[in-house]
Amino acid sequence: GDSVTQMEGPVTLSEEAFLTINCTYTATGYPSLFWYVQYPGEGLQLLLKATKADDKGSNKGFEATYRKETTSFHLEKGSVQVSDSAVYFCALSDLTSGTYKYIFGTGTRLKVLA
Amino acid sequence: EADIYQTPRYLVIGTGKKITLECSQTMGHDKMYWYQQDPGMELHLIHYSYGVNSTEKGDLSSESTVSRIRTEHFPLTLESARPSHTSQYLCASSEFGRNTEAFFGQGTRLTVV
Repeated sequence: GDSVTQMEGPVTLSEEAFLTINCTYTATGYPSLFWYVQYPGEGLQLLLKATKADDKGSNKGFEATYRKETTSFHLEKGSVQVSDSAVYFCALSDLTSGTYKYIFGTGTRLKVLA
Repeated sequence: EADIYQTPRYLVIGTGKKITLECSQTMGHDKMYWYQQDPGMELHLIHYSYGVNSTEKGDLSSESTVSRIRTEHFPLTLESARPSHTSQYLCASSEFGRNTEAFFGQGTRLTVV
C-alpha cells in the first residue's frame, strides 16, 4: 500500500540556518503531495502542495519539489526563524480502493533556537 | 483560513461517561474525516465520510462511532469513555479529487480519568 517516510526528529537549528526535512513516498498511482505544519495545541495547516512531477510548491519561504524519479518531496527553507518551530508532516493523496485517501508521515519536530 | 470548527477544545471526563466531540465545517465539503493523534504525533484515520448518510471505518480500529446527518456536521461519540481513549482528536474535511487538500480543525484534547 501507499506510504510516506519522513526523517525523524527532533531537528534543532539556530535561527537563520538552512532547513531540509526529507520525505519519500511509495504510491500505486500518481499522487498529489503536501506538506502540513502543526503548531503546539493546534490542528494541521496546509503549508504547500504539488500535484504533478517537477512542480514546486512554495509558501512563507518554504519550498518543496515533486521528484517522481526519486519519489521524494523534501521540504526546504533558506533561513529559519524561531516562529517556524513546529511539527511538519509530509502527506500524499492517492486513489485507494476507488477513493482518494490522505496518507501522512509520522511528523518531524523542528525547534529553532534564537 | 479554514472554516472547520471543533468543540470542545479540551475535555476532562470520568471513566464510563458518554461523550460527543463536535465538528462542523462551512465549506460545503462532502468528505470529512476523524483522526486520532498519539503523543508521538502520528495521525491515525479512525472514521471518514463521503457525504450525508455515509460513514466508513478508517485504518485504526476505534470504539467510537460517527454520524453524518448533515453535510456540515460530523460528530464523534464514545458511549463509555476509558483512559485508553485519552488522545488528541482531529477533524478534517476536503472536496473530492486528487489535487485537493484536507482542512483541519484545531482539535479536541480528550483526557479520561
